[in-house]
Amino acid sequence: QKEVEQNSGPLSVPEGAIASLNCTYSDRGSQSFFWYRQYSGKSPELIMFIYSNGDKEDGRFTAQLNKASQYVSLLIRDSQPSDSATYLCAVGSGGYQKVTFGTGTKLQVIP
Amino acid sequence: ETGVTQSPTHLIKTRGQQVTLRCSSQSGHNTVSWYQQALGQGPQFIFQYYREEENGRGNFPPRFSGLQFPNYSSELNVNALELDDSALYLCASSPGTQRETQYFGPGTRLLVL
Repeated sequence: QKEVEQNSGPLSVPEGAIASLNCTYSDRGSQSFFWYRQYSGKSPELIMFIYSNGDKEDGRFTAQLNKASQYVSLLIRDSQPSDSATYLCAVGSGGYQKVTFGTGTKLQVIP
Repeated sequence: ETGVTQSPTHLIKTRGQQVTLRCSSQSGHNTVSWYQQALGQGPQFIFQYYREEENGRGNFPPRFSGLQFPNYSSELNVNALELDDSALYLCASSPGTQRETQYFGPGTRLLVL
C-alpha cells in the first residue's frame, strides 16, 4: 500500500464548477497535511495546509481533513482554466517532519 | 516567489560522474529538505538538514549526501551517477522541523546520459 494515494486523473471539470480532489494516507501518526499545485515544468507551490480535523477555507480553496478515515481533500470553487495543473497531496509525520507526497492528480478546467 | 533559490537550473552529466546541487533557503528558515521528482511522480524525500546536521533521511543510498552551512544554505551531492538519477531535484526550506510548511525552490533538472 502506498503511503499517500491519489487518483492520477485527469480530472476534467467545466469552468465555474467545483473541483474535488481526494487523498488517502496510511500513517495514522501523521500530523500535518498539505496541498501543493504544480504547473508543468515548475516546482510545487503550497496552496493549503491543515492540521486539525474539519474544514479550512482560503479564498476559493477548502481543505478537508478526516483523521479517523485517513482522508484529506481539496475543493476548488469557481474553477478557472488557470487552475489546470497537477495537485499534490503531502503528509507530514515523524519527529523531523518527513513529508511524503502522493503522485498527484492532474486537473483540467475546460473553458 | 518563495525566496528559495537553487543552482544550477539545468545540468547534464554522464553515468559515473559526480554532481553538486546548491540551495539557498528563505530568510529566517533554518531547515532545508531535498527531494527527487522523477517524471510523472510526486517528490520523494531524500533528507533534511536542521542547523547543519542531517535530521532525517528517506530511502536513498549513501551516494546521496549533503551539507548545510552556517547561513543555512545547503548542498546535495550525488556520486557515481546512474541513469535513474535523472530527475528534478527540489530543495524546500521551512522555519523549523515540527509541522512546518515547506516552500520549494525552482528546482534543478538533472539529466544523466
